[in-house]
Amino acid sequence: EVQLVESGGDLVQPGGSLRLSCAASGFSFSQSWMTWIRQAPGRGLEWVANINQDGRGKYYVDSVKGRFTISRDNAKNSLYLDMNSLRAEDTAFYYCAGALLAGTVHKFGPWGRGTLVTVSS
Amino acid sequence: SSELTQDPAVSVALGQTVRITCQGDSLRSYFASWYQKKPGQAPVLVIYGQNNRPSGIPDRFSGSNSGNTASLTITGAQAEDEADYYCNSRDTSGSHLYVFGTGTKVTVL
Repeated sequence: EVQLVESGGDLVQPGGSLRLSCAASGFSFSQSWMTWIRQAPGRGLEWVANINQDGRGKYYVDSVKGRFTISRDNAKNSLYLDMNSLRAEDTAFYYCAGALLAGTVHKFGPWGRGTLVTVSS
Repeated sequence: SSELTQDPAVSVALGQTVRITCQGDSLRSYFASWYQKKPGQAPVLVIYGQNNRPSGIPDRFSGSNSGNTASLTITGAQAEDEADYYCNSRDTSGSHLYVFGTGTKVTVL
C-alpha cells in the first residue's frame, strides 16, 4: 500500500523554526521527485517546493525562498522541510506528495494527509 | 510568475455535465493537472497530461486543452463530486516551478 505520513506540524511563534517530515512507503521513493504543497485556512492550494531524485535539484516558490529548505534521505524513504523565520502567512496544512515531472506533463501524487503548522504569538 | 485563473464557483444538477476551466499563459506550453479537494481530506489527482486518469478515478472525469485554457469536465456529476477543484501547471518563469489555479467550488444540486 502506498503511504505518505507527514509529521512535525506545531504551533510556533513568528520568527521561529520547524522541521516537517514525511515518511514514504509502498512506492519507489528514491526514483521519484517529491514536493511540498500547502493550504492556508480558507485559501487555495499553493505549491511550495520540489526536490529531484538525488536531492541536488531544489526549487521553491518565491515566498519561501531563503527561509525554507527541502531535503530528502533516500536511505530512510523520508522527505523533509526545514522552515525558518516563520511568518503568520505560513500558517497552513502542509502536504507532501510524490511527483512525476516529465517535460510538458506533470502530476502530484500520491499524497499524505497533511500536518498543520500554526504561526502565532 | 505565472497565474492560473478559475471561476470561483459552479453548480450542476445531479447527473448533468459541468465544465471547469483554467486559463493561463503557461497552458500554451504545458499541460495542466487537476486535483479534487474535499474539506479535511488530502487532495486527489483526477486528470493529468492530455487527458489521463489515474487508476481509481471514474471515467466521468475528463480533460481537454486549447490554447491558453485547460478544462475539466464531469459528465454525469454525482453527489460525491461536490468539492473544490484546482488546476496546476508548470510556471513559465523558471524550471520545475509550479503554480496552482485559484480553485473552483463545484456544488452538486
